[in-house]
Amino acid sequence: EIVMTQSPATLSVSPGERASLSCRASQSVGNNLGWYQQKPGQSPRLLIYGASIRATGIPARFSGTGSGTEFTLTISTLQSEDFAVYYCQQYNNWPPFTFGPGTKVDIK
Amino acid sequence: EEQLVESGGGLVKPGGSLRLSCAASGFIFTDAWMIWVRQAPGKGLEWVGRIYSKGAGGTVEYATPVKGRFTISRDDSENMMYLQMNSLDTEDTGVYYCTIVFHPVYQVFHLWGQGTLVSVSS
Repeated sequence: EIVMTQSPATLSVSPGERASLSCRASQSVGNNLGWYQQKPGQSPRLLIYGASIRATGIPARFSGTGSGTEFTLTISTLQSEDFAVYYCQQYNNWPPFTFGPGTKVDIK
Repeated sequence: EEQLVESGGGLVKPGGSLRLSCAASGFIFTDAWMIWVRQAPGKGLEWVGRIYSKGAGGTVEYATPVKGRFTISRDDSENMMYLQMNSLDTEDTGVYYCTIVFHPVYQVFHLWGQGTLVSVSS
């Protein structure tokens, strides 16, 4: 089973600033990685797939980079609606599909 | 509009059973590879299992913690997916989401229901 880790656990950022979230896989997953956003009391929302492809309707301020074992989700200019928990998920080796533990982006 | 709606959650005693339902609409359900994901209170996301479309073989896969206790099925005539949960444990407490695989090449989950809460407690 591929283990996903994310850092930091919590990222405190001011609105308008840039946020970089890291995701690491225990072995190579190629480009087979997705990112999700989850706000309190809501279901997850797909942001990125294929490590760097934005899902339909996702603003351009969200970008994904990386391949192999190291990935980054960058939010270029944080808006108030971006404060949430972000999860990465690998789909290179399954079952199981595995998620990272999440990074919470909160207001500084 | 594409939509998934879960139902069937509730309070159950350890060792008990529960059946969750997922109603799909707005897309071609017969072609969909359907997924259950759960989330324990205050915790992250955990994949529970997947059922392929009948056209892709209809195979079912399970996460190790639920294998042998949970059964995923689907009724394409009703656009429904089910999760039969037996021998429930307190560790199974959480919100259960149904979701759908985006594409066979990009196996991320792009449409989610609102979730249904399962509480296992004596």
